[in-house]
Amino acid sequence: EAEVAQSPRYKITEKSQAVAFWCDPISGHATLYWYRQILGQGPELLVQFQDESVVDDSQLPKDRFSAERLKGVDSTLKIQPAELGDSAMYLCASSRTGGAPYEQYFGPGTRLTVT
Amino acid sequence: DQQVKQNSPSLSVQEGRISILNCDYTNSMFDYFLWYKKYPAEGPTFLISISSIKDKNEDGRFTVFLNKSAKHLSLHIVPSQPGDSAVYFCAALSKTSYDKVIFGPGTSLSVIP
Repeated sequence: EAEVAQSPRYKITEKSQAVAFWCDPISGHATLYWYRQILGQGPELLVQFQDESVVDDSQLPKDRFSAERLKGVDSTLKIQPAELGDSAMYLCASSRTGGAPYEQYFGPGTRLTVT
Repeated sequence: DQQVKQNSPSLSVQEGRISILNCDYTNSMFDYFLWYKKYPAEGPTFLISISSIKDKNEDGRFTVFLNKSAKHLSLHIVPSQPGDSAVYFCAALSKTSYDKVIFGPGTSLSVIP
């Protein structure tokens, strides 16, 4: 069964350093999402791509976060500089064109700890 | 301001009994309501949905009920099994907001053998 791949699974970094996360969605899924999940809360959408275009990045802290999906396939989320409050689980999800938008397939996530 | 609320952080149920997970929302413009299930060290997985024009949707042991006048929905699991132990997220989306899914904080369900 196809899955959404994410790497790394765990990342520890010092504040003010740069960090990057990678996501490879299920083949053929045109829509890709990055979520942040703080402990005890539900996932919060950071950015949504339709192919290579950003559809919604209203909750992305653009002063330090950036996201790209250059060829409309895999995607990278970057934080520079990292802050203590960025410690969270970063989840990537994808959904297929023509499918229900709520049927999103999530990857296992990257657990970020900023020290 | 939380648009989707799950006021019970945790719930324990005996195996074979019914589990009822509750969810409240504030935005009357939501078109779909969803339940996702999450095991430790895994991403959430879609479980069941209900359209805002329905009041019930059933899929095997899982049934979701929607009360629009009360802005309340619930997930019933009957009978509960130990493998159902997970965190359950209630979520909602509005088609006028790029189908953006808004998640609640989750309820941790423990099914005791």
